[in-house]
Amino acid sequence: AQKITQTQPGMFVQEKEAVTLDCTYDTSDQSYGLFWYKQPSSGEMIFLIYQGSYDEQNATEGRYSLNFQKARKSANLVISASQLGDSAMYFCAMREAWGYQKVTFGTGTKLQVIP
Amino acid sequence: DGGITQSPKYLFRKEGQNVTLSCEQNLNHDAMYWYRQDPGQGLRLIYYSQIVNDFQKGDIAEGYSVSREKKESFPLTVTSAQKNPTAFYLCASTAGSQNEQYFGPGTRLTVT
Repeated sequence: AQKITQTQPGMFVQEKEAVTLDCTYDTSDQSYGLFWYKQPSSGEMIFLIYQGSYDEQNATEGRYSLNFQKARKSANLVISASQLGDSAMYFCAMREAWGYQKVTFGTGTKLQVIP
Repeated sequence: DGGITQSPKYLFRKEGQNVTLSCEQNLNHDAMYWYRQDPGQGLRLIYYSQIVNDFQKGDIAEGYSVSREKKESFPLTVTSAQKNPTAFYLCASTAGSQNEQYFGPGTRLTVT
């Protein structure tokens, strides 16, 4: 069974600083995908970044990068140059690559950016 | 514009009544998902479907039912058997295993 663990319920970061949100996962599958989503207070889910289990390079999307360490089963999200608009809940998720492609989410990290 | 619509945004029901939440997508995605989110919590998978006329139970399927008669529609029924139905419900779809999920705006269900 898949499991996603986010151990930081809440984080604070100073505006313009970088922040790392932790995510570890557990799966017996060799092929899977890892995702990060942002959820502002409005409730919408916004896709940020994707990493495939066979991707050799860490994914990057603008100010977001994913620090993928396969052997440690971690997929941490790094946000550079934090902005006030980054304040939100952040969720790590994993999807099976085969079969029914079930998706499992972590419990989330609430990030607050301080001016 | 392509996307996922969920209606209504807010829904109020009396305890003991079944209620159906709508989810429609025009993205031509095969896979669709229903999640439940409680305040301050993550998303928990209720049901998911990879193709028409086929769906799988997620982690918290008890008290819920779904149908997938059309590719673009995946309605969720919250039955009276669901003990704590008050929550935020999110519907999502995806094009494939390497693609992100697209989410609808959600429905906030309150049962009193």
